[in-house]
Amino acid sequence: QLKLQESGPGLVKPSETLSLTCTVSGGSITSIGYNWDWIRQPPGKGLEYIGTIYSGGSTYYNPSLKSRVTISIDTSKNQFSLRLSSVTASDTAMYYCARRDASDAFDIWGQGAVVTVSS
Amino acid sequence: QSALTQPPSASGSPGQSVTISCTGTRSDVGGYNYVSWYQQHPGKAPKLIIYEVTKRPSGVPDRFSGSKSGNTASLTVSGLQADDEANYYCSSYAGGNNVVFGGGTKLTVL
Repeated sequence: QLKLQESGPGLVKPSETLSLTCTVSGGSITSIGYNWDWIRQPPGKGLEYIGTIYSGGSTYYNPSLKSRVTISIDTSKNQFSLRLSSVTASDTAMYYCARRDASDAFDIWGQGAVVTVSS
Repeated sequence: QSALTQPPSASGSPGQSVTISCTGTRSDVGGYNYVSWYQQHPGKAPKLIIYEVTKRPSGVPDRFSGSKSGNTASLTVSGLQADDEANYYCSSYAGGNNVVFGGGTKLTVL
């Protein structure tokens, strides 16, 4: 049974870089037909798509965040990571990693990681 | 402002049916049959309940059904149960690898 688990600092200072890692267990991150995504949810608000990384390493980012986002993959560790630079209070959110299938549905989600941006 | 428009709230009594709409454009909902719906209970991660407009993942009750007409997709929950009380989000492929979400609908079981 495939599981995803987010990890990383829960508190980031304004203007610094947020870094999170998603560890995939119970299956391979190189499985054909799946991509790996980051999605966030500000407190009390809806879901926002951040970006995708394909097992081959290519990426796609939400145009509204593209200038600040980097997603990378480490197939040897079965992990993928998110970096979001120059954060502000508006980046405070629950950050989820998720598997995206061939129909562009997010079929497996991590439990989420709370990240607060504050000095 | 979310790319897809959902009503902020919906409600129904146990046993009744309720339908939640998700309106986009021909660049997303209307252009592709890649609409998904997610159920999110408080403090929990979202759970996929509908994909490709009408399909249910294994284990999702057939009380949940999806449909689409033009630029609007809909989720219908039949035979409402107390545990159906949650937030529901739609999403759609929007071309060029992009995915957009709706703002979410809080479903209350009266």
